[in-house]
Amino acid sequence: DGGITQSPKYLFRKEGQNVTLSCEQNLNHDAMYWYRQDPGQGLRLIYYSQIVNDFQKGDIAEGYSVSREKKESFPLTVTSAQKNPTAFYLCASSRDRAQPQHFGDGTRLSIL
Amino acid sequence: QKEVEQDPGPLSVPEGAIVSLNCTYSNSAFQYFMWYRQYSRKGPELLMYTYSSGNKEDGRFTAQVDKSSKYISLFIRDSQPSDSATYLCAMSADYQLIWGAGTKLIIKP
Repeated sequence: DGGITQSPKYLFRKEGQNVTLSCEQNLNHDAMYWYRQDPGQGLRLIYYSQIVNDFQKGDIAEGYSVSREKKESFPLTVTSAQKNPTAFYLCASSRDRAQPQHFGDGTRLSIL
Repeated sequence: QKEVEQDPGPLSVPEGAIVSLNCTYSNSAFQYFMWYRQYSRKGPELLMYTYSSGNKEDGRFTAQVDKSSKYISLFIRDSQPSDSATYLCAMSADYQLIWGAGTKLIIKP
C-alpha cells in the first residue's frame, strides 16, 4: 500500500539535544512538507520541498532544519535552538504544490 | 484576525443527524478548498477537495463553497459514531495551504 510513514510515533528530547524525525513516502510525490500542530491551532508549516535537493522555509522554520537527499525521504531535525518543541509533528506529501496533501500519522515530541 | 476562522467546538449531535461544519475566511484570492478529517493521534485524511464556488457531493458528505460570503461548509448526512473526529478546513490561493484550527465533532449513539 502506498503511503507516508513517520517514525517514531513518540519521541522525548532532553535539554540541549537535537532530535531527528523520520518521514518516508512511497507515493512517488515530488513535494513534501513538515507541519507542527498545537492544541487549538491550525497546522503551521515548518519547511517544504518541491524537488530533491531543494527546500524552503515555512512560517515557523526557526529552530528546525531539513534535508531532501532522496525523493522518498524528508527528515526533520528539531534543534536545541527550538525552545518550545513539544508538539505533534506531521509530514505530508503531494504530487506537486497545487495538489491536495496526504499525511502520515505524526510524531509526538515531548521534553524530558 | 486569522485568515481562516473555524469554531473549535466541540459539536455534539445524536447519531443519524445532519451535521453542518463551517469555516469563514478573509482572503478573497482563495480558490482551492479542502476538508480533512483527523482522528485522535492520527494524521489528517483528505475528505473533500473543491475548486472555486459550488457544491460537491461524495457519499454522505457534501462540500459547499460560497465565495461571495467567504464561507465554506461541510455537511454530513446520516451521521455515525465513526464520524466522531476533528474536521479541519484548508484553503489556498496559489500553493500554500492556510488551515483552520479544526472543529471537534462528537456523534452520540
